[in-house]
Amino acid sequence: AQKITQTQPGMFVQEKEAVTLDCTYDTSDPSYGLFWYKQPSSGEMIFLIYQGSYDQQNATEGRYSLNFQKARKSANLVISASQLGDSAMYFCAMKGSGNTGKLIFGQGTTLQVKP
Amino acid sequence: GAVVSQHPSWVICKSGTSVKIECRSLDFQATTMFWYRQFPKQSLMLMATSNEGSKATYEQGVEKDKFLINHASLTLSTLTVTSAHPEDSSFYICSAPARGLAASQETQYFGPGTRLLVL
Repeated sequence: AQKITQTQPGMFVQEKEAVTLDCTYDTSDPSYGLFWYKQPSSGEMIFLIYQGSYDQQNATEGRYSLNFQKARKSANLVISASQLGDSAMYFCAMKGSGNTGKLIFGQGTTLQVKP
Repeated sequence: GAVVSQHPSWVICKSGTSVKIECRSLDFQATTMFWYRQFPKQSLMLMATSNEGSKATYEQGVEKDKFLINHASLTLSTLTVTSAHPEDSSFYICSAPARGLAASQETQYFGPGTRLLVL
């Protein structure tokens, strides 16, 4: 069975500093994909970044980067130069190879950026 | 980028009534869509996979007679909460997978969600 774990219920970061949100996963599928989504208080799910299990390099998208450590089964999200608008809930999710794309989500981490 | 819409965004209904929620992919075709449910400050829980042209696949513990799913076309899936009760009050959100520019790139686009309050 697939499982995603986010062990940080809440995190604080000072504006303009970097922050790492942890995510570990468990799967027996040889091919899988890992996603990070941001959910502000409005409820919309905003796609941030994707990492495929066979990707050689860590994914980056602007201020977001994914620290993918396959042997440790971790896919931490790094947000650089935090902004007040980054305050939101962040979800790590995984898609396995044996399905049509459904995602399994972690518990989420609430990030608060302090001015 | 790909956009998914949901309607309505808010619905308040009386206990015992049925509520229909629509999910549309606006600029791409989606043979598969997913329906999630989210309680306050909790994670998204997958309810079912909506398949165009065939029956939906429900996750364990989700009552298929309670949550009716119809994938009417390649761009529309509907979720009907039948005989709604206060415990059905939740945030319902749909998603559809889409390919990115790179062959390995894939993402899922989510609708803005529907907040259901059953009185």
